[in-house]
Amino acid sequence: AQKVTQAQTEISVVEKEDVTLDCVYETRDTTYYLFWYKQPPSGELVFLIRRNSFDEQNEISGRYSWNFQKSTSSFNFTITASQVVDSAVYFCALTAQGGSEKLVFGKGTKLTVNP
Amino acid sequence: GAVVSQHPSWVICKSGTSVKIECRSLDFQATTMFWYRQFPKQSLMLMATSNEGSKATYEQGVEKDKFLINHASLTLSTLTVTSAHPEDSSFYICSARDGAGGYEQYFGPGTRLTVT
Repeated sequence: AQKVTQAQTEISVVEKEDVTLDCVYETRDTTYYLFWYKQPPSGELVFLIRRNSFDEQNEISGRYSWNFQKSTSSFNFTITASQVVDSAVYFCALTAQGGSEKLVFGKGTKLTVNP
Repeated sequence: GAVVSQHPSWVICKSGTSVKIECRSLDFQATTMFWYRQFPKQSLMLMATSNEGSKATYEQGVEKDKFLINHASLTLSTLTVTSAHPEDSSFYICSARDGAGGYEQYFGPGTRLTVT
C-alpha cells in the first residue's frame, strides 16, 4: 500500500522568507511517481512537479525547488523568497506501478504568507 | 493542452434530489477518469475509478448506489449524487488520464455541491 505523510498541517511565514514543505512517502514499488500540487482558495489543483523514482536529481524552477531523497523516502518542496500569492494548500502525492495505480495524496500543508 | 472541465462549477440542491456532475476531457481521450471528494480543510479522497465502457471501481466505504458513475465515452464521465443529503455537501473533483500518455492525471476545476 502507498502512503504519503505531510506532517506540517499549517505553516505561517512572513513575505520573503524561505519555507520548506515536507513530504515523506511509503511504497513497496520500485517504479513510482511523486507529485506536488498547489490548491489556492479557488479550489482548482495546480500541477507543480512530477518526479519518477529513477530520477533523484533535484529540480529548481524559479523560486521553487524540490529535493528528492530515496534514502529517506522524502520529496521536500522549498519556496524561496515567499510571496503572498504563494498562500495556498500544497499537496504531495504518489502513484506507483509506473503510474498505472491511483494517486494517493497527503493531507496537505496550508501555507500562509503574510505581508 | 490536456484540459479537463467540470460542469457545473457549483450547485445548490434540496435534500432528496439528485445532482449530476459532468467531467470532460477537452483535448484528449481519457480512457480512465477518477472522482475525488474533498471536505473542507481536508485532503482529496478517491471515490472511484472509471474506465470507458466498463463499470466503475469504487473505493471502500463509497456507496455505489448513491454515487452513480458513468463513463460512456472517451471524453465524458458523469457523477450523479442520488437522493442527496446535507452530509453529501462537498467539493467534488475529477481527473482524467490520457489514454495515449500513460500516467499523467489532469484535474478538473472542481464542483462545489451544497445540499440544503
